[in-house]
Amino acid sequence: DAGVIQSPRHEVTEMGQEVTLRCKPISGHNSLFWYRQTMMRGLELLIYFNNNVPIDDSGMPEDRFSAKMPNASFSTLKIQPSEPRDSAVYFCASSFDFSYEQYFGPGTRLTVT
Amino acid sequence: AQSVTQLDSQVPVFEEAPVELRCNYSSSVSVYLFWYVQYPNQGLQLLLKYLSGSTLVKGINGFEAEFNKSQTSFHLRKPSVHISDTAEYFCAVAMDSNYQLIWGAGTKLIIKP
Repeated sequence: DAGVIQSPRHEVTEMGQEVTLRCKPISGHNSLFWYRQTMMRGLELLIYFNNNVPIDDSGMPEDRFSAKMPNASFSTLKIQPSEPRDSAVYFCASSFDFSYEQYFGPGTRLTVT
Repeated sequence: AQSVTQLDSQVPVFEEAPVELRCNYSSSVSVYLFWYVQYPNQGLQLLLKYLSGSTLVKGINGFEAEFNKSQTSFHLRKPSVHISDTAEYFCAVAMDSNYQLIWGAGTKLIIKP
């Protein structure tokens, strides 16, 4: 298996632009997690899906952030409009129920200027 | 609420010396415990996990951890570190009833030549 796939790996955009991050979980995994990592705040859970349904989105910082999981093999995290303080590395991770072990993608480094 | 404390933000150690990275958690229910490693500019990968059974758990790259229920600790150890162990190490806890992981703030392991 190729592991969790994230695209793009790097994104540089201007303030006010829409940004869409993509994730393909490991085949057969039914839980998907979006995290954000910064120097100041460390690793933060943004949202968690189980069987394509959002279970906990309490970590989504504000309404500018939205996430979808239209099917078991694809998820997106959208920021609209983006702001400089959104600059971070965004990780997607997937797992299979009853295992708890999460597998992380390589991350998307987002820079908003 | 559950929480994970990694008391040391950085641990400097000489190459070939032993190291212990500390992790304490707070929970009144059964927990599952994990250590993840993040090498520079990469995603997180599982180092080892405790689900049940022997309290001494061996992981990849010569690392081991011991679950101590009375002290609610899960410290990570390696008898002799190498320069390639330079990374950030994260302790995480999952509860039996929840597929999310509660993360510690991370400990940067700095290997001095």
